Amino acid sequence: GAVVSQHPSRVICKSGTSVKIECRSLDFQATTMFWYRQFPKKSLMLMATSNEGSKATYEQGVEKDKFLINHASLTLSTLTVTSAHPEDSSFYICSARDLMGDRVGETQYFGPGTRLLVL
Amino acid sequence: QKEVEQNSGPLSVPEGAIASLNCTYSDRGSQSFFWYRQYSGKSPELIMFIYSNGDKEDGRFTAQLNKASQYVSLLIRDSQPSDSATYLCAVRDKLSFGAGTTVTVRA
Repeated sequence: GAVVSQHPSRVICKSGTSVKIECRSLDFQATTMFWYRQFPKKSLMLMATSNEGSKATYEQGVEKDKFLINHASLTLSTLTVTSAHPEDSSFYICSARDLMGDRVGETQYFGPGTRLLVL
Repeated sequence: QKEVEQNSGPLSVPEGAIASLNCTYSDRGSQSFFWYRQYSGKSPELIMFIYSNGDKEDGRFTAQLNKASQYVSLLIRDSQPSDSATYLCAVRDKLSFGAGTTVTVRA
């Protein structure tokens, strides 16, 4: 159980275009999903916390107008990188937290990640 | 002070040895602690979580939590080459990650 998928796994785009990344919890409902970014040989940096049906909460330094997050259902959150530039090239990873809310439910399960390359 | 700090490594251990990873955290009120393993180019996968002081064992892995000293550690017994990865310590439900410790197990 506790499987999280991401799509696409890899995307190459031209500078100035927008890219949408989907994150789905396949076998559980997730009230909260998180989006991370990881640069090579660096740790994961939390970008934003997404709660179903409400606006995402962005971490300091993350531009909410550039990284649009939508969490329309308990199983789907999307991250759209708008007007992407080469410096946005990174490994984007989502995670989802189980709805159950007990101590075990605090565990986050990670998607496989999306590697974005902006030319 | 960073919220979560790990011994940066890299850590190299011979096959069959014990690998010891340490993590300290700054928020004394933190309640939940997680160890993740990340292979190169892949996303993190959960190894263990721990909430209570003391040891928690799961197979070859043992997590140790000491809230008074604000540290959490991970021991990998009988290390295998397949354990070679970066290990990430994370704290709280909105996970704050340490920088990770890269472990290499020499055959």
